[in-house]
Amino acid sequence: KQEVTQIPAALSVPEGENLVLNCSFTDSAIYNLQWFRQDPGKGLTSLLLIQSSQREQTSGRLNASLDKSSGRSTLYIAASQPGDSATYLCAVGGNAGNMLTFGGGTRLMVKP
Amino acid sequence: KAGVTQTPRYLIKTRGQQVTLSCSPISGHRSVSWYQQTPGQGLQFLFEYFSETQRNKGNFPGRFSGRQFSNSRSEMNVSTLELGDSALYLCASSLDAGGTEAFFGQGTRLTVV
Repeated sequence: KQEVTQIPAALSVPEGENLVLNCSFTDSAIYNLQWFRQDPGKGLTSLLLIQSSQREQTSGRLNASLDKSSGRSTLYIAASQPGDSATYLCAVGGNAGNMLTFGGGTRLMVKP
Repeated sequence: KAGVTQTPRYLIKTRGQQVTLSCSPISGHRSVSWYQQTPGQGLQFLFEYFSETQRNKGNFPGRFSGRQFSNSRSEMNVSTLELGDSALYLCASSLDAGGTEAFFGQGTRLTVV
């Protein structure tokens, strides 16, 4: 059974800092990995999708990497802003359809 | 292009009642998945539908059921509601059978009293 862990559970940084969020998974037989952002009481916003054959994806100030063999992914946020404050979730897709297994999330606060 | 639409946004039900939630996926998307989000358990997969067929099911009791219509819209039903069913229910829309990007709706906040 796939298990996904995100460390740290919470993070507070000053504005402008570069930061890294971590995600680890127990079963390396994944189809893809997706990073999401969730604002309080809202749905999930897709940030980046990495297919199992890819090593990284970039979108603006965000860069996500994937190391399947070690069961790890990182989300790098450059020059953080207060508007980046949210919970970041990683989710792993297996070979069974579109079912995603989620980590517990990292709650990020960026202070002005 | 419209996103994923979930209705209603908020619901308050009494223990023992049943409830039906609705999800309209992005136009052209044929896969709909449902998730339950609670503070204690996080996001847990309920089930996935593709072309009106249930393809995957999570570890939830039979009180939780769903269906998908020919236009890809999906409904989930929870019967005999329990206090522990209070949660944010999220629907995700994907283009096709597997490995494609998931787009989520805003969710339905269900409170059971």
